[in-house]
Amino acid sequence: GDSVTQMEGPVTLSEEAFLTINCTYTATGYPSLFWYVQYPGEGLQLLLKATKADDKGSNKGFEATYRKETTSFHLEKGSVQVSDSAVYFCALRSNTGNQFYFGTGTSLTVIP
Amino acid sequence: GAVVSQHPSWVICKSGTSVKIECRSLDFQATTMFWYRQFPKQSLMLMATSNEGSKATYEQGVEKDKFLINHASLTLSTLTVTSAHPEDSSFYICSARGGDTNYGYTFGSGTRLTVV
Repeated sequence: GDSVTQMEGPVTLSEEAFLTINCTYTATGYPSLFWYVQYPGEGLQLLLKATKADDKGSNKGFEATYRKETTSFHLEKGSVQVSDSAVYFCALRSNTGNQFYFGTGTSLTVIP
Repeated sequence: GAVVSQHPSWVICKSGTSVKIECRSLDFQATTMFWYRQFPKQSLMLMATSNEGSKATYEQGVEKDKFLINHASLTLSTLTVTSAHPEDSSFYICSARGGDTNYGYTFGSGTRLTVV
């Protein structure tokens, strides 16, 4: 069945460091891919998405490219800030249903 | 934008008691709501899908008599954990479909349930 494998955390970085959180997926057909972020005490918020191969989603300096050949959707940011500290979830949704499949989440802490 | 309010954000209850979690769409009509559960260091797993005015559809392995879902209006769905046991301790989060978000899915802030 469909599934998402996400890099385990926690991840601790210094401010302005480069961030990569790895995400790979298994799915039949052509799923849509998402990154959600959860700040402390808040709900999941959509960070970015991509709906087809080679699409690049981007938002708030974060980027991820839908790579069908490697079944990956790695999240990157060139220079993290303290305010980026949160839990990040990679997810997919098949093109045949409503259900989301989530990774386990990666906790990121950025220190000044 | 679309907002989903989930309440309570955390709850501690005694074994054998029941706990109700509410999920409200504040500024849109949620035709479909989803309930997820997350155990420590594991993924969010879909428990059930509910459409307004009809019975919820439960995922395989989820006990419908234990996790009662009611979606009586277009803005409110509730999850009641009946006769809770310590193994039900988990993070529960709802998602509502509707509104103007991408693909119409908005998540609540989640509820941390601890059964002692």
